[in-house]
Amino acid sequence: DAGVTQSPTHLIKTRGQQVTLRCSPKSGHDTVSWYQQALGQGPQFIFQYYEEEERQRGNFPDRFSGHQFPNYSSELNVNALLLGDSALYLCASSRDRDENYGYTFGSGTRLTVV
Amino acid sequence: KQEVTQIPAALSVPEGENLVLNCSFTDSAIYNLQWFRQDPGKGLTSLLLIQSSQREQTSGRLNASLDKSSGRSTLYIAASQPGDSATYLCAVVSNTDKLIFGTGTRLQVFP
Repeated sequence: DAGVTQSPTHLIKTRGQQVTLRCSPKSGHDTVSWYQQALGQGPQFIFQYYEEEERQRGNFPDRFSGHQFPNYSSELNVNALLLGDSALYLCASSRDRDENYGYTFGSGTRLTVV
Repeated sequence: KQEVTQIPAALSVPEGENLVLNCSFTDSAIYNLQWFRQDPGKGLTSLLLIQSSQREQTSGRLNASLDKSSGRSTLYIAASQPGDSATYLCAVVSNTDKLIFGTGTRLQVFP
């Protein structure tokens, strides 16, 4: 049973560019959440997608946007990259409103902005 | 606003010791609490999930407890091994259905 898969694993972009990160949820999961983890910090919630809609959003600017597809996979897009966007981006999947199963995380995408 | 704190921030112990990692949260209205392990530069691996109605969960050498009323959870690791070296993160889920993380405890177990 495949877990959460993320691509790419590493990415280097130049300030001002745009980037797209991808996530496929664990089989049986329908909700995808994205987190940003700066070095030495705990992950910070960016947003959550369910039924192809953004259900809730953390304290991140509009440069961060996302999408969920009918097969539950998701993309995270970041426009006008800043040096401060350099971080590990984590995708987590879960079953909607089912607190019995918790969250499953992918291995992350390491984004470096130069 | 829910805030999660983990103490200590770092811990270095010799192999074989039993140890306790602490997690506290400010709002007791949680759905569940999850402990994760993170190796350097890697994703998160779920260790234990405690539902709000439970008081503890066990998996092998790991035992996690939850006291909602006092806003605390502990992760107990028995007979620690060098392979346990990693950062341990706790996270709570409240009615907003998102994980709120602590900053983690960085554990090093030396032979």
